[in-house]
Amino acid sequence: KAGVTQTPRYLIKTRGQQVTLSCSPISGHRSVSWYQQTPGQGLQFLFEYFSETQRNKGNFPGRFSGRQFSNSRSEMNVSTLELGDSALYLCASSPGQDAQPQHFGDGTRLSIL
Amino acid sequence: SQQGEEDPQALSIQEGENATMNCSYKTSINNLQWYRQNSGRGLVHLILIRSNEREKHSGRLRVTLDTSKKSSSLLITASRAADTASYFCAPSTGTSYGKLTFGQGTILTVHP
Repeated sequence: KAGVTQTPRYLIKTRGQQVTLSCSPISGHRSVSWYQQTPGQGLQFLFEYFSETQRNKGNFPGRFSGRQFSNSRSEMNVSTLELGDSALYLCASSPGQDAQPQHFGDGTRLSIL
Repeated sequence: SQQGEEDPQALSIQEGENATMNCSYKTSINNLQWYRQNSGRGLVHLILIRSNEREKHSGRLRVTLDTSKKSSSLLITASRAADTASYFCAPSTGTSYGKLTFGQGTILTVHP
């Protein structure tokens, strides 16, 4: 079974731009979660999508948004990029029930200039 | 979900030694998971232990859970240089689904 795939692996943007990151979950997984990882704040939960609906949401401003498609692939979008948005963005998938391991991709490294 | 706090923040040992890291949490949980992260990579799931379990093993890994003390420990026996990574715990209250909350983790360095 193929693992979780995130594209692109690296991205460089400038302040004020917007960016879209993509995540393809493991086949059959219906839940996709997104996390932001920075040296200062550590790993922070952004949101979770299950069957195309947002099921959980973290404490991030509205500039961070996401969606999930009928094939469970997910995208997250960050608008009006700020320097502080530089981070490793990780997505994770699971079948969708509680108490199940999350399977992570290797992330997208986003750098804001 | 709730956040776990890992301790120590950093651990440095020689190959062949055992490594023990701890996780504490504040409220009752349904289960607790441990993850490993190699530098610049995604997290890898290690073990999930449920609140009615006291101990679980997987290869060289042993996880214990003490719900009365609200704590868990991860023991890696006979450590190898390849075990060098950050280790995170994620306690869950049972309605978290895909929302995991992580602490700062324990950075383990195993010297050859």
